[in-house]
Amino acid sequence: GAVVSQHPSRVICKSGTSVKIECRSLDFQATTMFWYRQFPKQSLMLMATSNEGSKATYEQGVEKDKFLINHASLTLSTLTVTSAHPEDSSFYICSARDFGSNQPQHFGDGTRLSIL
Amino acid sequence: QKEVEQNSGPLSVPEGAIASLNCTYSDRGSQSFFWYRQYSGKSPELIMSIYSNGDKEDGRFTAQLNKASQYVSLLIRDSQPSDSATYLCAVLDDKIIFGKGTRLHILP
Repeated sequence: GAVVSQHPSRVICKSGTSVKIECRSLDFQATTMFWYRQFPKQSLMLMATSNEGSKATYEQGVEKDKFLINHASLTLSTLTVTSAHPEDSSFYICSARDFGSNQPQHFGDGTRLSIL
Repeated sequence: QKEVEQNSGPLSVPEGAIASLNCTYSDRGSQSFFWYRQYSGKSPELIMSIYSNGDKEDGRFTAQLNKASQYVSLLIRDSQPSDSATYLCAVLDDKIIFGKGTRLHILP
C-alpha cells in the first residue's frame, strides 16, 4: 500500500529555533501533499496544501511566513516552523495522495513538536 | 461550505457487540468516501474506502454508503478493546474533507 514517511517523529527544542519536518511518499508520486496540526483531544486542522513546483495554499489563519512549505519534488515536501515558540507545540502530520481522481490520503506518522 | 458531520461521542460498546458509526455529508455530488482510524497520539490510518452505494466488507469492518441520503456508516463486528479509537469519516470533492471524528470506546 501507499506509504508516507515523516521525519523526525519527535522534536524538543528551545524557543526561537526553526524546525524542519520532512514528508516523503515512498512508493508513489504525490502531486499534492497536505500539512495538518492537531492539538491534544482536538480534531485535525488542515494548515496548508502543497503542490509540487508551486506555492503552497494556506488555510485561513495560518501564517505562511511562520510555516514555510516547500514541495520540491513529487515525493518530498517540507514544513519549516520558523522561530518556534511554545504555542507552536503540537502534533504535525503530513499526508499525500496518489494520482487518480478518487484516491484517498495517506498519512505520515506525525511529528510531535515541543518548544521549551 | 462543504461539510462532513459525525457525532463526537464517546460511543461506548460492549466487547463482542457491533459498533455502528455514522456520518453525513453535504455535497450531493461527492463520489469517494473513506474511513480512518486514529489512536490517541497517533496519526490517522485508512481502514476503508467506498465508492458505490451499498455495503463493502473487509474482515470485521463493513462500510455502507447511501448517496441518496448522503449517509455513510461503518460497522465493526465483534468489537475488541483494540478498536477503541477515534474514527474519522472523510469525503473527497476537490480535496478530502474530514469529519471531526467519533470516539469509540469498547468496554471489556
